[in-house]
Amino acid sequence: QQQVKQSPQSLIVQKGGISIINCAYENTAFDYFPWYQQFPGKGPALLIAIRPDVSEKKEGRFTISFNKSAKQFSLHIMDSQPGDSATYFCAANLDMEYGNKLVFGAGTILRVKS
Amino acid sequence: GAGVSQSPRYKVAKRGQDVALRCDPISGHVSLFWYQQALGQGPEFLTYFQNEAQLDKSGLPSDRFFAERPEGSVSTLKIQRTQQEDSAVYLCASSLGRAGKGVNTEAFFGQGTRLTVV
Repeated sequence: QQQVKQSPQSLIVQKGGISIINCAYENTAFDYFPWYQQFPGKGPALLIAIRPDVSEKKEGRFTISFNKSAKQFSLHIMDSQPGDSATYFCAANLDMEYGNKLVFGAGTILRVKS
Repeated sequence: GAGVSQSPRYKVAKRGQDVALRCDPISGHVSLFWYQQALGQGPEFLTYFQNEAQLDKSGLPSDRFFAERPEGSVSTLKIQRTQQEDSAVYLCASSLGRAGKGVNTEAFFGQGTRLTVV
């Protein structure tokens, strides 16, 4: 019940295209949904995040769409660029009385072809 | 420092050897987390500190894993009698806030320590 399922495993997009990555969860106690970008040899870096009371959040070329009833959320990268090639992780935050922890999806390897 | 610093970046250990991985969080950050990232997988939660108190160690895979943060800043993850299945990248993250109900602050990750057990 604490899993976050992410798809696809890998994605190839042409430069200028739209990259779409999807995630689904079961635990309704999750209260915050960040997306992380990870380049080889680096740690994950926060890209954009959303709370479940909002259906969409946009920051530059990155948009999160959130469907609370379906327990699904997705990342859209508009006008994808070769520099966007990285591994993307969705995550869900589980808040507890003493602290919190992030539950991550398995990741999507994005390659943007120039 | 400017970010979360982890050392060493790479560690090769012979099976059965003990290892210690260090994390220097961002100065002043209250919360500190350790995650384990297996090859091709997302990070998995290991343990959480609020200052020097280890409040959650539910993700530690066995009693061979031990973490400490004695003065509420630097943290060490120790793995005793390493096994091949311990091979992974160990990520440390810190956040400014006292993480808890209704409080979410961004977690900043270090570059990780890649542990290879041979």
